[in-house]
Formats: sequence, C-alpha cells, structure tokens
Amino acid sequence: AQSVAQPEDQVNVAEGNPLTVKCTYSVSGNPYLFWYVQYPNRGLQFLLKYITGDNLVKGSYGFEAEFNKSQTSFHLKKPSALVSDSALYFCAVRDVGSSNTGKLIFGQGTTLQVKP
Amino acid sequence: GAVVSQHPSWVICKSGTSVKIECRSLDFQATTMFWYRQFPKQSLMLMATSNEGSKATYEQGVEKDKFLINHASLTLSTLTVTSAHPEDSSFYICSARDPTVRGLETQYFGPGTRLLVL
Repeated sequence: AQSVAQPEDQVNVAEGNPLTVKCTYSVSGNPYLFWYVQYPNRGLQFLLKYITGDNLVKGSYGFEAEFNKSQTSFHLKKPSALVSDSALYFCAVRDVGSSNTGKLIFGQGTTLQVKP
Repeated sequence: GAVVSQHPSWVICKSGTSVKIECRSLDFQATTMFWYRQFPKQSLMLMATSNEGSKATYEQGVEKDKFLINHASLTLSTLTVTSAHPEDSSFYICSARDPTVRGLETQYFGPGTRLLVL
C-alpha cells in the first residue's frame, strides 16, 4: 500500500536560513509526489510536484524539492526562509491503485515556524 | 490558476440537524471532486470521491448514509452531513480535478468549511 511519512511535527528555522521539511514515501511502481501548503483556516495550495525527469523540482514561492529514489525521499527545501513561509506543509503521493481518479494520500503534515 | 470555492466557510448547527456544504469549480468543469476531513493539527483524510453523474465512492469507514454526496453537475458537488453530532465537528475540504489539464495529479483545493456541532 502507498504511504507517506513526514517524520517531523514541527520545524523551526530563523528567517534567512535554509529550511528543509522531510518526506519519505512508500509506493509500488513510480511515485507521483506533491507538496502542498496550508495557511490557517484555509485550503491547500499546490507548491510543486514530481512526476518524472529531473530529481530537483522547482515550485512556487521559491520552494524546491529533491526526489531521491534510493532513499525514497522527497524533501522540501528553500534556500532562505521567510516569516511568511510559516504554515502547515503536506507531502502527498498519488494512489496508483485509484483507478485513475487522481486520489492523493497525504502525510501527517509538518508545521513550519520561521522566526524573525 | 483554477479556483474552487466552498460555501459556507463556517457553520454552527445544533446536534441532530443536517448541514449541506457546497463545492464549486468556478472556471473549469470537474468530472471528479474529492471530499476531505481534517481534524486540528492533523492530516487530510479522504472521505469520498465524487464523480459527476454517478454515485460517490466512499473510503473505508466513512458512512455513506451519514455523509451524503451529490455531484449533479460538472461544477458543483455537495456534502450533506445528516443528523450531525458534536463528533462531526471538523474542517471539511473539497478538491476538484480539471480533466483538461494534462496529468491526473492536478487537483485544486477549496478554502474549506469549518463545521461546529453544538
């Protein structure tokens, strides 16, 4: 069965420092991986996705993620954090057994706190 | 990008009443919509997949008679929480897939509806 794990409930980083939010996955076959961000009382906003191609994926708001097949990871990164990046981040994988409906399986979420 | 709206954004109701939440795709036709439930500081749990013109597919453990889903048009899906109880209080989020966008992975999320059952 497909699954996604985000091992950190919360990540704290100072503004201007690089940030990493970790994600590991377990899928059968080739993974389709996603990162979403959620601000308080809001829906999810798409950040980036990996389907195929370059292992380093660039997305919205300066975020990027590196797909590592050997480590089954898809960590989200940003070179220089902003206070406005503080939010809840979700990693997700497409459920390949979903009969092509596009169903996503989400990790448990990681709260990113960027301090001034 | 594509926009998905939800209405209402929040609702408070008495125990035993029914509540309907609407999910609309504003600038595209969505053949498939998804309904999620999110508890505070927890992940999104998929409740059901809503397909236009057919019955919804419910995830294991989700009561279909409790959470009625109707996807009567290509731009509207509704979730009705019947005979709501305090344990149904949660944040409900819908998403919609634009079939014209290449790739099955493109989902657009609504802003969510917070339900509080007293």
